[in-house]
Amino acid sequence: AQSVTQLDSQVPVFEEAPVELRCNYSSSVSVYLFWYVQYPNQGLQLLLKYLSGSTLVESINGFEAEFNKSQTSFHLRKPSVHISDTAEYFCAVTSPGGTSYGKLTFGQGTILTVHP
Amino acid sequence: NAGVTQTPKFQVLKTGQSMTLQCAQDMNHNSMYWYRQDPGMGLRLIYYSASEGTTDKGEVPNGYNVSRLNKREFSLRLESAAPSQTSVYFCASCFVAGGLAKNIQYFGAGTRLSVL
Repeated sequence: AQSVTQLDSQVPVFEEAPVELRCNYSSSVSVYLFWYVQYPNQGLQLLLKYLSGSTLVESINGFEAEFNKSQTSFHLRKPSVHISDTAEYFCAVTSPGGTSYGKLTFGQGTILTVHP
Repeated sequence: NAGVTQTPKFQVLKTGQSMTLQCAQDMNHNSMYWYRQDPGMGLRLIYYSASEGTTDKGEVPNGYNVSRLNKREFSLRLESAAPSQTSVYFCASCFVAGGLAKNIQYFGAGTRLSVL
């Protein structure tokens, strides 16, 4: 069985400050890792993913996450946030095994609020 | 190209009433999923359909039934709604081959259900 723990339920920051949203996972097999973002009253959108290769992955809007296998973490970072980054962020995991069928296990979510 | 479409967007039910949530995708994906989202609990998988004609239970299937009507459509039915089923429901789809997801999951905009 897999599990995901997002260590902070809410993260308030000021505009242009750096932010880190923490995610730890548990799995007995290899994993694919994802960060999804949910803006108010909308569905989930993929922010970035780690499948294989470079452990540092980046999104088009300045977020990055680093897969750390030894610490079983996939923390999300942005060096300078904008008001428009206010949203709820979900970390998710699936396994590349032959019986996963793409099923995702999600963390509890972290609400990022950016203040002016 | 609409992606994943869910209907209705909002619904209020009385305890004991039944209803069906509809989901359709136009991306030719073979796998579809139903999740529920509750505050502080992230998204939890209710049922999934790895391919047309098959359905399987997820993490929280009690109180729900599903039908994979064809490749495009995957419906979720509440036979006798309970207040504990008040939630936001999301449908998602992706392409899976050999039990392995070949792309990311795409999500609908959600159905907000209140059971009084």
